Amino acid sequence: QSVLTQPPSASGTPGQTVTISCSGSSSNIGSQSVTWYQQVPGTAPKLLMFPNTQRPSGVPDRFSGSKSGTSASLAISGLQSEDEADYYCATWDTSLSGWVFGGGTKLTVL
Amino acid sequence: EVQLVESGGGLVQPGGSLRLSCAASEFTFSTYWMTWVRQAPGKGLEWVANIKQDGSEKYYMGSVKGRFTISRDNAKNSLYLQMNGLRVEDSAVYYCAGGDYMHVWGKGTTVTVSS
Repeated sequence: QSVLTQPPSASGTPGQTVTISCSGSSSNIGSQSVTWYQQVPGTAPKLLMFPNTQRPSGVPDRFSGSKSGTSASLAISGLQSEDEADYYCATWDTSLSGWVFGGGTKLTVL
Repeated sequence: EVQLVESGGGLVQPGGSLRLSCAASEFTFSTYWMTWVRQAPGKGLEWVANIKQDGSEKYYMGSVKGRFTISRDNAKNSLYLQMNGLRVEDSAVYYCAGGDYMHVWGKGTTVTVSS
């Protein structure tokens, strides 16, 4: 069981907005910044958002992040077929002295 | 092009050892934290260990403490993971990731622990 909790799946139709949540605690999300990764099956993860709300160059502005208290979320607007992938949240946990990942959310574009 | 390339994976029996390597190119290796992350077949990402720029700080996930050792050689732009006492549950693709927020990833190397 992951320290960070994500829904196992999410879906939407092209053009829709989908939001993926990530829930943690005071020792991780509550006190640390959150990063998000996108992983197309069979490939390496790719950094999508850090810390909390910034996008690396090359990531479309359709992707946005937010954080409030011990939860964070990733929103994808104008959903496109190429967004179909697994999405992971992650952060440093001060109690564990290590990075923790969410279990991942499989996004399906219908 | 910024690149991280892992090597050293393979098939090993339970209790055996492997040493993974990660070679960095076009990447200011010595200025970043470096991390190993693994992914078992069909499972999610799992942080394994990370190491500070100068090697002065190292952190490990609980189940690998005392068995795995992370190290780096900044002169060679290389990261290592010495894995001893391997268990079946250590079987996974091992990724090398660079940067304070793991902004660069290698393609991974597969470790299979089986008798």
